[in-house]
Amino acid sequence: EVQLLESGGGLVQPGGSRRLSCAGSGFSFIDFAMNWVRQAPGKGLEWVSTISRTGGNTYYAESVKGRFTISRDNSMKTLYLQMNSLRAEDTAVYYCANLELGPGVDIWGQGTPVIVSS
Amino acid sequence: VVMTQSPLSLPVTPGQPASITCTSSQSLGNDYGGTYLNWFQQRPGQSPRRLIYKVSNRDSGVPDRFSGSGSGTNFTLKISRVEAEDVGVYYCMEGTHSWTFGQGTKVEIK
Repeated sequence: EVQLLESGGGLVQPGGSRRLSCAGSGFSFIDFAMNWVRQAPGKGLEWVSTISRTGGNTYYAESVKGRFTISRDNSMKTLYLQMNSLRAEDTAVYYCANLELGPGVDIWGQGTPVIVSS
Repeated sequence: VVMTQSPLSLPVTPGQPASITCTSSQSLGNDYGGTYLNWFQQRPGQSPRRLIYKVSNRDSGVPDRFSGSGSGTNFTLKISRVEAEDVGVYYCMEGTHSWTFGQGTKVEIK
């Protein structure tokens, strides 16, 4: 079964850090650029970050640039998001997804919630 | 790039058609003839699911009552006959320039 499974979410204080993980299975992980997308409570989808297949290129939304770092370990088929200097407005469900633009399979995880609050 | 959807809320009678438009602030056609515009459905309590890729191509398993069209900066998702299972929020997303989602359109049954 093709699957992405996020973990690492939880309650964190403002200014704190958190690392999210996303484990892929049932497909060739290295064949896809990977992304993090978030959804604040009651709000729409917001693209957060993208990493190329080999990890050599990374891209960030302006709202997280300089605070978040995306990385991947293709040997472990795992995607990461290191989040530092967290703010209340970072509170959201964080999804990993391949955001396939062509006819290949489009895969989303179930999401992991991050709550930034004191 | 800014993606603007309308309407933001769409009450529909079952069996009736529904249409959602998505307008981009820049043309989504690239130098190689591709136009990367996807449509996603997010049912209540679920992760998003892609319905349409490259403007008009349905994903496997997507009912043929869903169709996508458009070019340049103007795109449309149509549901020919809405069913109860179509309730949810629909998003367009451009992938030509970056990865930008529209605000979402909430489809509900009247």
